[in-house]
Amino acid sequence: GAGVSQSPRYKVAKRGQDVALRCDPISGHVSLFWYQQALGQGPEFLTYFQNEAQLDKSGLPSDRFFAERPEGSVSTLKIQRTQQEDSAVYLCASSRRDRGSTDTQYFGPGTRLTVL
Amino acid sequence: GNSVTQMEGPVTLSEEAFLTINCTYTATGYPSLFWYVQYPGEGLQLLLKATKADDKGSNKGFEATYRKETTSFHLEKGSVQVSDSAVYFCALSRSNDYKLSFGAGTTVTVRA
Repeated sequence: GAGVSQSPRYKVAKRGQDVALRCDPISGHVSLFWYQQALGQGPEFLTYFQNEAQLDKSGLPSDRFFAERPEGSVSTLKIQRTQQEDSAVYLCASSRRDRGSTDTQYFGPGTRLTVL
Repeated sequence: GNSVTQMEGPVTLSEEAFLTINCTYTATGYPSLFWYVQYPGEGLQLLLKATKADDKGSNKGFEATYRKETTSFHLEKGSVQVSDSAVYFCALSRSNDYKLSFGAGTTVTVRA
């Protein structure tokens, strides 16, 4: 079946603009994760959803970052008033079950955000 | 907190050479350990995993053994191919958690 998809694949924003990044997880997957990957670094956890409930947002770097998953499937990561330090690849991942450290997370291709 | 330290790259090898990428971790409790791979132009994908001490994960000729005594999970492959050129990430998640903590990644290039 289809994997995790993300759109847009590339986004260029001027400093101060708002952006919205979309994630379509694998159908039926309960868990959804967002990660931020800076150039040359490994992904860093941002937030976690179990169905529509956002159970962990401890990794969001500031209150300019907001994520939602209103119907328990598609998720949107919104960044308000973008700053240059927000430039990164934003990765979405989903897994079949709820919290379980051994459950495989399937990653999307990412959205590369460049803030000028 | 949780952290993963992996060998810095880039690593350049000839085809059929032996590959080792070192990975050590710091975590409370008994984490699960993973190796993810990112091929050029593609997304991260799980290569192998191990969920308890002394477990060996294996896939596509790659192996890694969960060593609790040395807090390590080194990745090895006996004979690499050009198609193994990729960025490799070591990662962990705690037994009561779900977040992945990643190392910085190691870029491997295999030359024909």
